[in-house]
Amino acid sequence: NAGVTQTPKFQVLKTGQSMTLQCAQDMNHNSMYWYRQDPGMGLRLIYYSASEGTTDKGEVPNGYNVSRLNKREFSLRLESAAPSQTSVYFCASSKGEEGGSYNEQFFGPGTRLTVL
Amino acid sequence: AQSVTQLGSHVSVSEGALVLLRCNYSSSVPPYLFWYVQYPNQGLQLLLKYTSAATLVKGINGFEAEFKKSETSFHLTKPSAHMSDAAEYFCAVRYTGFQKLVFGTGTRLLVSP
Repeated sequence: NAGVTQTPKFQVLKTGQSMTLQCAQDMNHNSMYWYRQDPGMGLRLIYYSASEGTTDKGEVPNGYNVSRLNKREFSLRLESAAPSQTSVYFCASSKGEEGGSYNEQFFGPGTRLTVL
Repeated sequence: AQSVTQLGSHVSVSEGALVLLRCNYSSSVPPYLFWYVQYPNQGLQLLLKYTSAATLVKGINGFEAEFKKSETSFHLTKPSAHMSDAAEYFCAVRYTGFQKLVFGTGTRLLVSP
């Protein structure tokens, strides 16, 4: 049981390049989330998927797109990377509504992205 | 706007001293409350969560938190700090009717010998 896995662990991009961050969970969770973490700002929600087949914008969606490929996988795409997207990206999953109000989110190890 | 406030971006304690990390939420209706810990270069791990069964919640590694509705607070404590407690701690809140978590800005705990 690996929990939430993310690839890659590290990535350096040049301004304007594109890339996709991959996330997978093996806990049969319904909901999945993408966050970015920046110093002094905590975690901010980029996009989330409440259930397979649905996605919604979070607090900071500009410059990103997501795909809920199936129940296990939720990818985050940067179409044209900018230096302001330099951050640590975390994927998380939870049971969602099925788990009730107290169900927690489980986090992956993160991807450190630098945009030059 | 719904928010959660963590007072103090850094807290320094000596090994063996009391740890107190503060968290306040902004709602007249008690939300669902969580504390997460992040060790260097790792993801977030759940420390404890408030489930309304008891106002004092015990978590892993000797941490506990007390829900105080009158103060809209959910402060995290540990009676005796250990060097291995050095990490960043995040308070998170889920407000009624929303599936999403709102995170505080985090408090970095520094433990000196």
